[in-house]
Amino acid sequence: EIVMTQSPATLSVSPGERATLSCRASQSVSSNLAWYQQKPGQAPRLLIYGASTRATGIPARFSGSGSGTEFTLTISSLQSEDFAVYYCQQYNNWWTFGQGTKVEIK
Amino acid sequence: EVQLVESGGGLVKPGGSLRLSCAASGFTFSSYSMNWVRQAPGKGLEWVSSISSSSSYIYYADSVKGRFTISRDNAKNSLYLQMNSLRAEDTAVYYCARTRTGDAFDIWGQGTMVTVSS
Repeated sequence: EIVMTQSPATLSVSPGERATLSCRASQSVSSNLAWYQQKPGQAPRLLIYGASTRATGIPARFSGSGSGTEFTLTISSLQSEDFAVYYCQQYNNWWTFGQGTKVEIK
Repeated sequence: EVQLVESGGGLVKPGGSLRLSCAASGFTFSSYSMNWVRQAPGKGLEWVSSISSSSSYIYYADSVKGRFTISRDNAKNSLYLQMNSLRAEDTAVYYCARTRTGDAFDIWGQGTMVTVSS
């Protein structure tokens, strides 16, 4: 099983600042990596697939990068609606999620 | 509108059974692989099971293998999860999700809560 490890567990950021979230895979997943956003009481929402391609309707302030075992989700200028939990997921070998990073207001 | 709506959750005793359903609308259901993902209270996401568009390929997480059965009825645009021998650790919100042609999960339902408790 491929283990996905996200860091940090919690990220405190002020509105308008940049947020950088990391995701590491226990073995290479190529570019078969997605990022999801989940707000309290809501289902997850796909943000990024293929490590760097934004899903339909996702604002340009969200960007993904990386390949192999190291991945990054960057939110260039945090808006109030971006405070949420973010999960990475690999789909190279079955499917596994990271444990999540909570982005909270500083 | 593309939509997935889960149903069938509830309270069940340990060792009991439950069948979840997911009704799809707004897209050609028979063309997509589908999945179940669960989330225990206050915890992260856990992939549970996947089924290909024609039911030819089926996969389960080790935590549910032998107890859960995924199935679909393309004529009814519906996905199912039969859960047997339920345990307290199966308590979670269960989401159905569509696979975006070979990769990520692009459409999610609102979830249905399953509580396993005596």
